[in-house]
Amino acid sequence: DGGITQSPKYLFRKEGQNVTLSCEQNLNHDAMYWYRQDPGQGLRLIYYSQIVNDFQKGDIAEGYSVSREKKESFPLTVTSAQKNPTAFYLCASSYSTGDAVNTEAFFGQGTRLTVV
Amino acid sequence: AQSVSQHNHHVILSEAASLELGCNYSYGGTVNLFWYVQYPGQHLQLLLKYFSGDPLVKGIKGFEAEFIKSKFSFNLRKPSVQWSDTAEYFCAVIPRAYDKVIFGPGTSLSVIP
Repeated sequence: DGGITQSPKYLFRKEGQNVTLSCEQNLNHDAMYWYRQDPGQGLRLIYYSQIVNDFQKGDIAEGYSVSREKKESFPLTVTSAQKNPTAFYLCASSYSTGDAVNTEAFFGQGTRLTVV
Repeated sequence: AQSVSQHNHHVILSEAASLELGCNYSYGGTVNLFWYVQYPGQHLQLLLKYFSGDPLVKGIKGFEAEFIKSKFSFNLRKPSVQWSDTAEYFCAVIPRAYDKVIFGPGTSLSVIP
């Protein structure tokens, strides 16, 4: 089955440690995204990538880093510089074809990160 | 910058009441429009989408949305809600010229039996 896989589903981290969240897709999508979801704040874009080896900051990129070495993979690292990392993180992907007619985003099931 | 706004942060309805959730976007070009739903403890699911054609779009579970281009709006409607519709609803936009999904802040719907 095609889809987006995020792992792990739940993640605990000690304060001051970096942690990497995995996102893999087999939909042959060019674009991938990371969002953070907090209660009452909706989905906020952290980083996005439209092509391999390229990515752009979203609205709340501080304290996060990403890489896009392969089309299928877009891991997100939550660094110790992120002041409030406890949240639900969603990965998404979509076709990236410029003026796409039927581009839509597909989502993974999310990773809930808790800093202890 | 492109943005999406949703009119209501939290909506409380009784079962069988009608629902309308507002969504407006700020982008002058052509857009793809979506409504996603997130049931408690679950991941995002696509309710419906609009790419082109008939501006009245039918989705799953009896939901529909109407695209009004002149108002930059894509409001979600359901004639009669059920307790099981209790969820968070997100409007989203993909501007055709940009490969970026822009979400609204979400509306939390609580349906009282």
